[in-house]
Amino acid sequence: EAGVAQSPRYKIIEKRQSVAFWCNPISGHATLYWYQQILGQGPKLLIQFQNNGVVDDSQLPKDRFSAERLKGVDSTLKIQPAKLEDSAVYLCASSLDWGVEPQHFGDGTRLSIL
Amino acid sequence: KQEVTQIPAALSVPEGENLVLNCSFTDSAIYNLQWFRQDPGKGLTSLLLIQSSQREQTSGRLNASLDKSSGRSTLYIAASQPGDSATYLCAVGGATNKLIFGTGTLLAVQP
Repeated sequence: EAGVAQSPRYKIIEKRQSVAFWCNPISGHATLYWYQQILGQGPKLLIQFQNNGVVDDSQLPKDRFSAERLKGVDSTLKIQPAKLEDSAVYLCASSLDWGVEPQHFGDGTRLSIL
Repeated sequence: KQEVTQIPAALSVPEGENLVLNCSFTDSAIYNLQWFRQDPGKGLTSLLLIQSSQREQTSGRLNASLDKSSGRSTLYIAASQPGDSATYLCAVGGATNKLIFGTGTLLAVQP
């Protein structure tokens, strides 16, 4: 089966600019996750979708970050405006459902803020 | 607030050695514990998933144990190989499958 697809792989922007990341989960996976991984740290969950509804966005900085999964399949994560501390790898993952299911990760988007 | 700690932060061993990676968590009310591997520039690959009712899981040369009462898990790697070199992350899972990760152990296996 095809894995989780993410694009772009790399992005360099200046602070205060906006940026968007795209994720296509494994076919048939109802649950989609966005994580932020800062260098030297473990991933931190930003937002979790079940189909096109939000399950958890408690750690999403809502003043600058937004995410959507309109048709319950692919998803976009946006940052506007970007800050220096947003430099990180943004990982997308999906699982069959939201129970005790393995999460499958994409290779991530590495974001550098100048 | 759940906190996950991994010790050591880095480990270098000669090929063939057996090794143990440690993971501890502060809140024992977990649904599962998972171990992942992360190669440079890549996403995470799931290695083992232990449900809260289980004590251990095995896959090939890997064995993971879980002691909820003491808030600890270990990942045992037998007969290490250079291809095992990577960062190993543990994560505890909650009711909605939300994962809280540790900071990882960077493993280098020297040929």
